[in-house]
Amino acid sequence: ETGVTQTPRHLVMGMTNKKSLKCEQHLGHNAMYWYKQSAKKPLELMFVYNFKEQTENNSVPSRFSPECPNSSHLFLHLHTLQPEDSALYLCASSQDEAGGPYPEQFFGPGTRLTVL
Amino acid sequence: KNEVEQSPQNLTAQEGEFITINCSYSVGISALHWLQQHPGGGIVSLFMLSSGKKKHGRLIATINIQEKHSSLHITASHPRDSAVYICAVRNYGGSQGNLIFGKGTKLSVKP
Repeated sequence: ETGVTQTPRHLVMGMTNKKSLKCEQHLGHNAMYWYKQSAKKPLELMFVYNFKEQTENNSVPSRFSPECPNSSHLFLHLHTLQPEDSALYLCASSQDEAGGPYPEQFFGPGTRLTVL
Repeated sequence: KNEVEQSPQNLTAQEGEFITINCSYSVGISALHWLQQHPGGGIVSLFMLSSGKKKHGRLIATINIQEKHSSLHITASHPRDSAVYICAVRNYGGSQGNLIFGKGTKLSVKP
């Protein structure tokens, strides 16, 4: 397995369900990202983890809860979501070096989430 | 008004045509990315550039920092080039993950 993988690729859930999205990167990177892509809107950054520490949370509602147990795995725990949370959720990773140029991000295939 | 504007929003071309997609931005940047998103959602990074020009196969990306403008060119287009092309900029002095994305240009290449 190479690159950035995400599971599941498709998820349908009710508003009272609890589910988790998983992202795994096989690139040896030290930073991981969650993005949301809604229909006809630009990609929106949700969370950034660097060396397993959360470094950014872009005012994301608490019904989205990220977890980064190690630098290769990133989860997004979902509970009591709303229909407007239906979107494509993309994970990305990069290799950050202190003092280096901004790194290129490598994206996973995304999870298409539908909230009923 | 978005900080990153792409044109056109939609583009249909015949196989073999030369294609240009434009990106204009209104903030100071340290880098600009061109990304390709295929149906189904997966995103591939095509280029990251901060000056001049880069070429990879049939793809060419240019950037003019003074004019705050970048173009993505596809030579000898092919139906497999059909995808959404997204321009993203890293705001100068912005934090690690802070890419500002355009809405994308949907390209359809007909055989």
